[in-house]
Amino acid sequence: GESVGLHLPTLSVQEGDNSIINCAYSNSASDYFIWYKQESGKGPQFIIDIRSNMDKRQGQRVTVLLNKTVKHLSLQIAATQPGDSAVYFCAENMPPGNQFYFGTGTSLTVIP
Amino acid sequence: KAGVTQTPRYLIKTRGQQVTLSCSPISGHRSVSWYQQTPGQGLQFLFEYFSETQRNKGNFPGRFSGRQFSNSRSEMNVSTLELGDSALYLCASSFATGSNEQFFGPGTRLTVL
Repeated sequence: GESVGLHLPTLSVQEGDNSIINCAYSNSASDYFIWYKQESGKGPQFIIDIRSNMDKRQGQRVTVLLNKTVKHLSLQIAATQPGDSAVYFCAENMPPGNQFYFGTGTSLTVIP
Repeated sequence: KAGVTQTPRYLIKTRGQQVTLSCSPISGHRSVSWYQQTPGQGLQFLFEYFSETQRNKGNFPGRFSGRQFSNSRSEMNVSTLELGDSALYLCASSFATGSNEQFFGPGTRLTVL
């Protein structure tokens, strides 16, 4: 699994609506996944993680779903706020060690 | 608890020069990973260090190297800089190696002229 294309998908949502960001990962051996949020000029910020023995995990306003059958990951953000505007990346880890491969990223814009 | 820190934050070099970037992980974290981020290629894994040993290496040429010290601080070095090395270099730390939560620093923006 390696990286990333040249085109950054975009998603625009109204403030207060729910957002769903999708990610297809590449390696069936990946055992751990993280969603990151990256704002302009900053490093990626950890949002939520999930291990391959789970199919759903919830955090504060965020839920991650994992479908290993089709190698698909999604991030759901409830009641999206303007501060959620950023680029969101999914990252898959291939064991052993910490060797994360990142998706292309999705640019989320929240319309007030 | 302080987060991951990286120095310098910005750097301008010319082709052919070499550069050293520094990363201090979160206190207590022993794994440090380095990534390169460019608009064209996105975030790409460079290498991971754990307990002063390189554990994993991405698909980058030998001009990219790193090391980790006994206090877990890490440096990465790029020799014979090329224009294409212009990027945001990100360091991430984890408590341990092996599918662990990983937290990023703010990055070092390297520009090669």
